[in-house]
Amino acid sequence: ETGVTQTPRHLVMGMTNKKSLKCEQHLGHNAMYWYKQSAKKPLELMFVYNFKEQTENNSVPSRFSPECPNSSHLFLHLHTLQPEDSALYLCASSQGDEQYFGPGTRLTVT
Amino acid sequence: AQKITQTQPGMFVQEKEAVTLDCTYDTSDPSYGLFWYKQPSSGEMIFLIYQGSYDQQNATEGRYSLNFQKARKSANLVISASQLGDSAMYFCAMRVVYSGAGSYQLTFGKGTKLSVIP
Repeated sequence: ETGVTQTPRHLVMGMTNKKSLKCEQHLGHNAMYWYKQSAKKPLELMFVYNFKEQTENNSVPSRFSPECPNSSHLFLHLHTLQPEDSALYLCASSQGDEQYFGPGTRLTVT
Repeated sequence: AQKITQTQPGMFVQEKEAVTLDCTYDTSDPSYGLFWYKQPSSGEMIFLIYQGSYDQQNATEGRYSLNFQKARKSANLVISASQLGDSAMYFCAMRVVYSGAGSYQLTFGKGTKLSVIP
């Protein structure tokens, strides 16, 4: 248990659905991140939030919409996804040298 | 641009033996940090060890040590006395861009799958 939780752990959605991934950190960190991990590819940084402000958006398609209402919570809203968006989505938080990850949400788009 | 290279897609090690997982990096930034993470089949990324570019000594955390050779731009992970629970994917990562207080970007390698044999 790293102090970063993610829900749901598994999600299957159709291409026309709208769903949201939730991340919560109990570590008092100021920065939160979304990563995408596809099969046989390195982790890809998607978004970075620092003190609730988005500081990085790594050319992520608009069908992924992040929301950070406070320093402890981070959401990733999903709509009209494509099958190639199927992946493990990892949330992380940091303050200092260590970046702590949650267990991830395994997303399958059908 | 920064880059992390892990040349070993898979490794096998006998239980109780030591194993070295290779990592080389490329950056022109004089200030950077190097991380190793473990990812079991459950998916969670578990932080193992960190080495700063200005640290004089190699980092150690229990059975994990980082063999940092700055001139060769390598940051190999050494796991001593391997255990069956060490079987997992291992990722090397580098922090370079400092986005702001407490936030930064990590660049990850493709990972090495370690299998510990009883």
